[in-house]
Formats: sequence, C-alpha cells, structure tokens
Amino acid sequence: AQSVAQPEDQVNVAEGNPLTVKCTYSVSGNPYLFWYVQYPNRGLQFLLKYITGDNLVKGSYGFEAEFNKSQTSFHLKKPSALVSDSALYFCAVRLSYGNNRLAFGKGNQVVVIP
Amino acid sequence: NAGVTQTPKFQVLKTGQSMTLQCAQDMNHNSMYWYRQDPGMGLRLIYYSASEGTTDKGEVPNGYNVSRLNKREFSLRLESAAPSQTSVYFCASSERTATDTQYFGPGTRLTVL
Repeated sequence: AQSVAQPEDQVNVAEGNPLTVKCTYSVSGNPYLFWYVQYPNRGLQFLLKYITGDNLVKGSYGFEAEFNKSQTSFHLKKPSALVSDSALYFCAVRLSYGNNRLAFGKGNQVVVIP
Repeated sequence: NAGVTQTPKFQVLKTGQSMTLQCAQDMNHNSMYWYRQDPGMGLRLIYYSASEGTTDKGEVPNGYNVSRLNKREFSLRLESAAPSQTSVYFCASSERTATDTQYFGPGTRLTVL
C-alpha cells in the first residue's frame, strides 16, 4: 500500500538545538514528497517539497529536508530550533493513482523548550 | 486576497441533522479538496474536485456529498450526521493538481452529539 509514516508522536528539543522530524514513505514510481506545518487552531501551511533534482530541499522559515531514495526517507531538519517552531508537522506523498492525490502522515507534534 | 475561507468555524449538531460546510477560494485555483483531521490519524481526504464541474471520492467519502458550485466554491454536505463525523474539517485548494502547493482554510470544528 502506498503511504507515508511518521514514526514519532512528539519531538521535544531545546531551543537552539537541531530539530529533526522523521518521515518514511512507500509509493510506486518516483516520489513527490511534501512537508506542511500546522500552528494551533490554524490550517496547514506549506513548508517545502521534493519533486526532482537536488536531494536537499530548502523551504520556508529555515527548514530543509533531505530526500534519501535508498532509505525511502524525507526527514525535515532545522539547524537551530526556535520556540515559535512548536507546531504539528505533516509529511505527505503523492499517490500514483487518483488524480495526483496526496496521502498525509499522522503528524508529529514538535515542542521546543525555552 | 483572503485565500481560502470556510464557514462556519464551529458547529454542534445532533445525530441525524444535516448541514453544509462552505468553502471559497479567491486564487483562481482549479483544484479543491475537503479533508477531515482526527487525532493520531493525520488528514484524510474526503472528496476532491480537479476542476469546475468534476468531483471524485477520496479516502473516506461515506456519509458526505460535495458540490463544486463554480470555480471558487466547493461545499461539503452531511445529510444525516453521525457521532463518527465529529472532526475538524479543512478545505484546501491548489492551482492545478495535488502536487502544486495546497492552501488550506482555517477549518471547521464539528461536534455531533
């Protein structure tokens, strides 16, 4: 089955430390991968996406993600976390059927501790 | 630009009641989507519309109907609400396909008693 997995429920990190949010995927064909962020009581906002090309993708708010084909992963990273990065992060993958629909992971709560 | 707007923000229904969630976008996008968000389950696609006049079922369409009224508006109807439909509902739009950036509305928090 085509899907995306976010193995951790919550990620706690001290302010100023590196932040990593993990995502692995299973999809037919070339993967199109996305990260979205949701702040409290808000809709999702786009952070970045990988379609093709450089495996390291840079996005909004200082976030980046690395596509690793051999490990089928697309981990989100930020070198130095801010308290304002505390939010719910979703990984998504394009499905190969259904008119380019996306499948979202269950989300990771990130808590940045001052 | 307002982006994607949704009404209402909150709603409480009794089992068996009906209601329509409204969504509009002012970005001239072709594709629109309805998702539901439940704790620990991420976002699940209910229905989507790839263009004006077309709609397709997503992952969890049972109990819902949709209407793509025009290019701007995409409504979601619950004909006979059930407690299992208690959720937060998000509308989204994208320029053409789902691989274009999706822009989300603020959500509707629905409780079915």
